[in-house]
Amino acid sequence: DVKVTQSSRYLVKRTGEKVFLECVQDMDHENMFWYRQDPGLGLRLIYFSYDVKMKEKGDIPEGYSVSREKKERFSLILESASTNQTSMYLCASSLGLGGTDTQYFGPGTRLTVL
Amino acid sequence: GIQVEQSPPDLILQEGANSTLRCNFSDSVNNLQWFHQNPWGQLINLFYIPSGTKQNGRLSATTVATERYSLLYISSSQTTDSGVYFCAVWDSSYKLIFGSGTRLLVRP
Repeated sequence: DVKVTQSSRYLVKRTGEKVFLECVQDMDHENMFWYRQDPGLGLRLIYFSYDVKMKEKGDIPEGYSVSREKKERFSLILESASTNQTSMYLCASSLGLGGTDTQYFGPGTRLTVL
Repeated sequence: GIQVEQSPPDLILQEGANSTLRCNFSDSVNNLQWFHQNPWGQLINLFYIPSGTKQNGRLSATTVATERYSLLYISSSQTTDSGVYFCAVWDSSYKLIFGSGTRLLVRP
């Protein structure tokens, strides 16, 4: 079974702090994704990565950056956290990018920025 | 880009009831998937259903690609079915496009 893990289930940070969210997958998947989920807005893609050190902006990349130094690990960075970044953050991985490929999700990190 | 719409947005059922969730998509696709997100936030893939019908226990899904819709059927619902159901399709820019979800609450 694919396992995607995220470093924290709950996180509380202060405005202006630098925040790191870590995601690790154990199935040698090429692709990894970061989403945020807010009530009424569904899942919105922040960034994805299709290979080590490669990244693509999603729909809402502003205020975020990412890092993928190793295939199994994809980090989301909030350079200077703001209250409007309070949200549920979901990481996912997939073998491919279409067709029969599905995404496997981690348990999520619920981030609160005070 | 592809638009994915789901209905109803919210659904409340008594345990044991059946339900049908709908997903409409704007363009021809051949890769529709259904996901369930439990009340704790975990998203799990239920079906890959580009066309036709599939069944898994009390859940089944049907996609009519030519008419751009998919249906998810839940029979004899249980409280553990509660959560949010999403449909999703891959678009041409390698993104998985999710609908806004149907929030289901099954009462004992």
